Amino acid sequence: QITLRETGPTLVRPTQTLTLTCAFSGFAVSTTGVGVAWIRQPPGKALEWLALIYWNDDKRFNPSLKSRLTLTKDTSKNQVVLIMTNVDPVDTATYYCAHRLDWGQNWFDPWGQGTLVTVSS
Amino acid sequence: QSALIQPASVSGSPGQSITLSCTGTSSDIGYNYVSWYQQHPGKAPKLIIYDVNKRPSGLSNRFSGSKSGNTASLTISGLQAEDEADYYCSSYTTSSTYVFGTGTRVTVL
Repeated sequence: QITLRETGPTLVRPTQTLTLTCAFSGFAVSTTGVGVAWIRQPPGKALEWLALIYWNDDKRFNPSLKSRLTLTKDTSKNQVVLIMTNVDPVDTATYYCAHRLDWGQNWFDPWGQGTLVTVSS
Repeated sequence: QSALIQPASVSGSPGQSITLSCTGTSSDIGYNYVSWYQQHPGKAPKLIIYDVNKRPSGLSNRFSGSKSGNTASLTISGLQAEDEADYYCSSYTTSSTYVFGTGTRVTVL
């Protein structure tokens, strides 16, 4: 059974850096084809895809956020870390990580429960 | 990249069929990697359709997907109270990124 769990601060000040961790079990991010994505959802609004890291360390980012995002993976800890710099109140959202299974399987299943991050002074 | 366009809300009575649309471009929907997610309030999204029209194992066959040109559709047949939720389409793009739709709130009357 695959599970993912997001952890991070609940409150971040504007201009600060946000660091979120996705801890997972049931799969290895070193397995060929596997990916872990980050998706966010502002309160009452739609989902927004942020980034994805592949088993081979290839990374893809939402073009509108690319300059502010960093993605890393730790295969020994079964974790993926998302770093977002220079946060703003508009970055207030529930942040989800999700699993992508294999080559050509361009969907996300399952998702973590999400973690709510508020950006406020 | 722009969000895929979905109607804000769709409603139907129990037992009816409803269809949700998702409009994009040849660079996303036209690429044939469309998926759909169901999200109940306060919960994480759940995959219900992938590759335009495939259902995950164990998912009700009341959910079906299709596509015509740059518009994908999700049909829910035999509408039930538990189907009341938000639904999001998503697509892999020719730029090797992903994009989600604006979301549709389904109400069971």
